Amino acid sequence: DAKTTQPPSMDCAEGRAANLPCNHSTISGNEYVYWYRQIHSQGPQYIIHGLKNNETNEMASLIITEDRKSSTLILPHATLRDTAVYYCIAKPSGNTGKLIFGQGTTLQVKP
Amino acid sequence: DGGITQSPKYLFRKEGQNVTLSCEQNLNHDAMYWYRQDPGQGLRLIYYSQIVNDFQKGDIAEGYSVSREKKESFPLTVTSAQKNPTAFYLCASSTQVGGTEAFFGQGTRLTVV
Repeated sequence: DAKTTQPPSMDCAEGRAANLPCNHSTISGNEYVYWYRQIHSQGPQYIIHGLKNNETNEMASLIITEDRKSSTLILPHATLRDTAVYYCIAKPSGNTGKLIFGQGTTLQVKP
Repeated sequence: DGGITQSPKYLFRKEGQNVTLSCEQNLNHDAMYWYRQDPGQGLRLIYYSQIVNDFQKGDIAEGYSVSREKKESFPLTVTSAQKNPTAFYLCASSTQVGGTEAFFGQGTRLTVV
């Protein structure tokens, strides 16, 4: 399973875009990149996932580099409610046996 | 509404007692997971199950046991052998098909005194 590395913390001004990076240099061809977030004392919440192409949904955009060794989660207009720990995970395709979380990035959105 | 339910939200036990945490899902998911989270830390995988009557140890299985007799249910027992059981426990489920999201319960905060 590919390991991921993320910066431990980031700040972002309210209303600005938050760009959260993730390195997954050992990702294999059939592993998806997933992003979850965890607001304090709650269960993690799914945000978005992708394999090769960039993805966008109502919550965020996911940009995956062409070599798939890194990705960036973009929250286009961060609000105070986006303050959370964000986890980047590389998950094996077709085998949901091990969903491994790292330490994540604590995003602090400031007014 | 479909979802994954953990109960209770808060649980207190005396040291040396076994305690079972409940996790139920009505999403028809094949795979289920248990994680432990300590203050300021990430999630660590305790056990996971890909199908009924089968489960695998995660990274920190010692002192824990699970069963998967029904697709909907994946209870976790914290035994007296677990040295530091006080923690936040999270259950999750997902389908077997690759490229799908996992759904998490709201967690059970276990305090052993």
